[in-house]
Amino acid sequence: DAKTTQPPSMDCAEGRAANLPCNHSTISGNEYVYWYRQIHSQGPQYIIHGLKNNETNEMASLIITEDRKSSTLILPHATLRDTAVYYCIVRVARYGGATNKLIFGTGTLLAVQP
Amino acid sequence: DGGITQSPKYLFRKEGQNVTLSCEQNLNHDAMYWYRQDPGQGLRLIYYSQIVNDFQKGDIAEGYSVSREKKESFPLTVTSAQKNPTAFYLCASSIDITETQYFGPGTRLLVL
Repeated sequence: DAKTTQPPSMDCAEGRAANLPCNHSTISGNEYVYWYRQIHSQGPQYIIHGLKNNETNEMASLIITEDRKSSTLILPHATLRDTAVYYCIVRVARYGGATNKLIFGTGTLLAVQP
Repeated sequence: DGGITQSPKYLFRKEGQNVTLSCEQNLNHDAMYWYRQDPGQGLRLIYYSQIVNDFQKGDIAEGYSVSREKKESFPLTVTSAQKNPTAFYLCASSIDITETQYFGPGTRLLVL
């Protein structure tokens, strides 16, 4: 079972920031927060991940609360091509085989409107 | 061009036949994975390989087999023992078992 909770869908106007929330209240100290997105009928695309600190890359920013129980993915200027299902995943990263698997929930369908 | 390739994009299988899905990567990654996705659902892990000549079962390995004879290749065979093979199959790889996984474009398998 997925260890995260996300809203099933969100809308965002083109050019505006898209803020996608994720709750992970049972996260452990050694678990990372990962974000992927999947455009219809394509493979998931890695976006960003973090442990404690906020992270930013060319695609997005990740804001993790101080207690680590929730996070927000921010797409600063959403375009129509950002319409996809966004998955928030918590994952241990250690040498233990199956414990590193990605457990995908049902994610958030972000619809960017023109 | 570096990346992960899966072929074919669509695959049709008759009931009772085995079929092999290809996954190749030129990223020099040690670890590779196979996931299955059913409509409206998340991904489920079938098999993974930490290194050449090694592989382990994931959560839903029954009816599937894999091999890892080369670092860049991790083919998945869907056998006739898999009762519900129709799904979207995704291959992924990572530098090692602890690092970020990157996915290929997927193969959609349809049983006729």
